[in-house]
Amino acid sequence: QLQLQESGPGLVKPSETLSLTCTVSGGSISNSGHYWGWIRQPPGKGLEWIANIYYSGNTYYNPSLKSRVTISVDTSKNQFSLRLSSVTAADTAVYYCARSSADVGTMDVWGQGTTVTVSS
Amino acid sequence: DIVMTQTPLSSPVALGQPASISCRSSQSLVHSDGNTYLSWLQQRPGQPPRLLIYKTSKRFSGVPDRFSGSGAGTDFTLKISRVEAEDVGVYYCMQATRRFTFGGGTKVEI
Repeated sequence: QLQLQESGPGLVKPSETLSLTCTVSGGSISNSGHYWGWIRQPPGKGLEWIANIYYSGNTYYNPSLKSRVTISVDTSKNQFSLRLSSVTAADTAVYYCARSSADVGTMDVWGQGTTVTVSS
Repeated sequence: DIVMTQTPLSSPVALGQPASISCRSSQSLVHSDGNTYLSWLQQRPGQPPRLLIYKTSKRFSGVPDRFSGSGAGTDFTLKISRVEAEDVGVYYCMQATRRFTFGGGTKVEI
């Protein structure tokens, strides 16, 4: 059974860079037909898509965050990662990684999420 | 960007009674490939979102048949035929026709 697990610092200082990794287990990140991505949820609020990546390296970004976001994939480790630069308190959120499948056309497997707080 | 608007914000419902949630998109969600990439997610308290419905009306694996989706173009509906206690949570519509955007969520409570 495919599982996704987010990891990374729970606390980041303002103006610094947030870095998270999602480890995929129970399946290969290199399978065709699957995209891998990040979504976030500020406390008590709704969901916001951040970015997606294909194992080949093709990337897709939310235009509102694109200038600060980098998504990358490491097929040798079956992982993909997120970097968000110049963070502020508004970037405090639960960050989820998720798989998108071409056959269902949406995000069908989600990680448990990791809480990131931006504070000095 | 496509804006997704859900109503109501909150839906109190008695156990065993039906519930209905509406979702409207600012643009048609019909993709150039002919599919409509509108899905519904359930988020129970303290849990990550879970896919319930994809491509407007297809139930995802393991989803009870009391959940159903319908709609076309810009107007969509999620129905729960008989609400059970485990259905409490927030429900989101999401479009994947042009990138991804989510509705604001509807809280279903008993």
